Amino acid sequence: GEDVEQSLFLSVREGDSSVINCTYTDSSSTYLYWYKQEPGAGLQLLTYIFSNMDMKQDQRLTVLLNKKDKHLSLRIADTQTGDSAIYFCAESINQGGKLIFGQGTELSVKP
Amino acid sequence: DGGITQSPKYLFRKEGQNVTLSCEQNLNHDAMYWYRQDPGQGLRLIYYSQIVNDFQKGDIAEGYSVSREKKESFPLTVTSAQKNPTAFYLCASIGTAADEAFFGQGTRLTVV
Repeated sequence: GEDVEQSLFLSVREGDSSVINCTYTDSSSTYLYWYKQEPGAGLQLLTYIFSNMDMKQDQRLTVLLNKKDKHLSLRIADTQTGDSAIYFCAESINQGGKLIFGQGTELSVKP
Repeated sequence: DGGITQSPKYLFRKEGQNVTLSCEQNLNHDAMYWYRQDPGQGLRLIYYSQIVNDFQKGDIAEGYSVSREKKESFPLTVTSAQKNPTAFYLCASIGTAADEAFFGQGTRLTVV
């Protein structure tokens, strides 16, 4: 079945790197996403990766995918207080298809 | 500007009432989705529609209903049969490219 798991909380100091982890069970997942949610707001797409890729970098964000272990991670370099939010991992089997979300990881950045 | 709009931002419902949450998009997307968010549980799929005049149940459809009469609109009705409706509701519109997945700002529904 489809299941996506994330740890619920992460706390880091400003300027450090943050690494948020996610595991998924559906081996047919083709697209894997990271979304950011600020308090009381909707979800903002941060980045995504295709299942045939191992890594994707976009400015301060680096996504690593280990397809064998079904493990996805999001690294935020030089974490800022403005990065404090809930981060959701999501998977989809096809483009335009339904997204299956993890529980979300609440990132707290301390000055 | 293209986008997806949910309204209202806050909604209060009395016991036994039906309420309807609005979701409108002008992105020309075929697929639209409704999710419910509860603390510590992530987003759970209520209903989705991949084309006009067609929709499917998600994981937690009981107590909810939807319609998709127009491509731009996918309203969600929370019926009195939904026993625990207090939650944050999010609508999404998804296009054919991998990065064409947009969410509205959400509606917070509270039963009073």
